[in-house]
Formats: sequence, structure tokens, C-alpha cells
Amino acid sequence: GQQLNQSPQSMFIQEGEDVSMNCTSSSIFNTWLWYKQDPGEGPVLLIALYKAGELTSNGRLTAQFGITRKDSFLNISASIPSDVGIYFCAGRGSNYKLTFGKGTLLTVNP
Amino acid sequence: NAGVTQTPKFRILKIGQSMTLQCAQDMNHNYMYWYRQDPGMGLKLIYYSVGAGITDKGEVPNGYNVSRSTTEDFPLRLELAAPSQTSVYFCASSNRAQGGTEAFFGQGTRLTVV
Repeated sequence: GQQLNQSPQSMFIQEGEDVSMNCTSSSIFNTWLWYKQDPGEGPVLLIALYKAGELTSNGRLTAQFGITRKDSFLNISASIPSDVGIYFCAGRGSNYKLTFGKGTLLTVNP
Repeated sequence: NAGVTQTPKFRILKIGQSMTLQCAQDMNHNYMYWYRQDPGMGLKLIYYSVGAGITDKGEVPNGYNVSRSTTEDFPLRLELAAPSQTSVYFCASSNRAQGGTEAFFGQGTRLTVV
């Protein structure tokens, strides 16, 4: 089946720092999605990418759909304490299935 | 503004018992999904549906069944609960066609099998 490798597994940063995380896939995706999950909640969509090379921003968040269609990255600029949580990438191929990465746990020290 | 509603929020089952996890969405989404989330493992797809009357297996379907008799509802059935099914279960829906929307998740059902 499709495999997604998400890295890093966890990050500990100081408030104000920038953050970068990425996902790579063994197969091609048509869509890349980035979600954030707070404790006890379901994942919430942050950014959706639909075209190879696409670069999309949502406030302090920026994500890119890799040219090869096998990777994507998410950047968070000027982190704040409420950025704490687990960030997941997800990819969708032509069969409508969403495959998720294992997540990146982000901790922001004030 | 309900979105995706999952019930129950918590449940403890004994080994061998059965139960149905309910999922309902009020956004008229075609696609619905069931995932399980184990600590440090991300979300794994159990079953999904692209429309009423159509279901298909995901990565980890064994021990589960689903049905999709209406657009709104997508229940997940556990027939003989096993400790390995202890997990947090998330239902999601989407309508990603042209101009559509991406997956919305429910708040999850935390299931413990003892």
C-alpha cells in the first residue's frame, strides 16, 4: 500500500522560531493535505494542495506540493504557544483514499 | 452547524462483545471515511465510502464492517471485540469534487476493549 514518511517525529522550539516539517511518499499523489490535531480533538484541515509545484499560505503557515508529486512540506513562521499540537500530512491518489503520515509533535516553549 | 457527529464519545467493551460506532454528517458530503488512531501511529484507514450504497476496504478492515444506506450516515460495526481494537476511532466526510471541500473530522470515539 501507499506509505507516507513524515519527519521529524517531534520538535521542541522556542516561541518566535520558524518550523519546517515534510512528508515523502513512495507513490504519486494528486492531493496533499496538512492537518493539525489538538489533544482530545479530531484533526482540523490547515492547507490543501492540488497541483504539483503549488505553494499555498494560510496566515503564518505555508505549504508546497512537490514537483515530483511525491512530497510536500509545511512551514510555520514566528511560532506561538498555540501552535502546539500534532501536525499530520495526508495524500490522496486517484482512488479517493486519504493516507496519513504518523505526525509531527510540536512543542513551543514560551 | 453540526458537521460530523460521532457517538458515543467513550466506550468500554468486553472481549467478544459487539457494538456499532455511529457517524452522521449534515453537509451532504459524498465521501465518508473511518480511521483508527493508535498512539504515535497516525491515522489508519479502516473503510471508506464514495456514496450511498458503495463501500470499500481501507488499510486495516479486518474485524470491522460498514454500511452506507444513506448519504448522511456511515456506521462502523465491531462484531467480536478484541483488545487489539482498543483505539480512538475517527469518522470523516468530504465532498472533494470541483469546488468541493476537504475532509472534516468528528471528535472521535475512544474505545477500550478489556
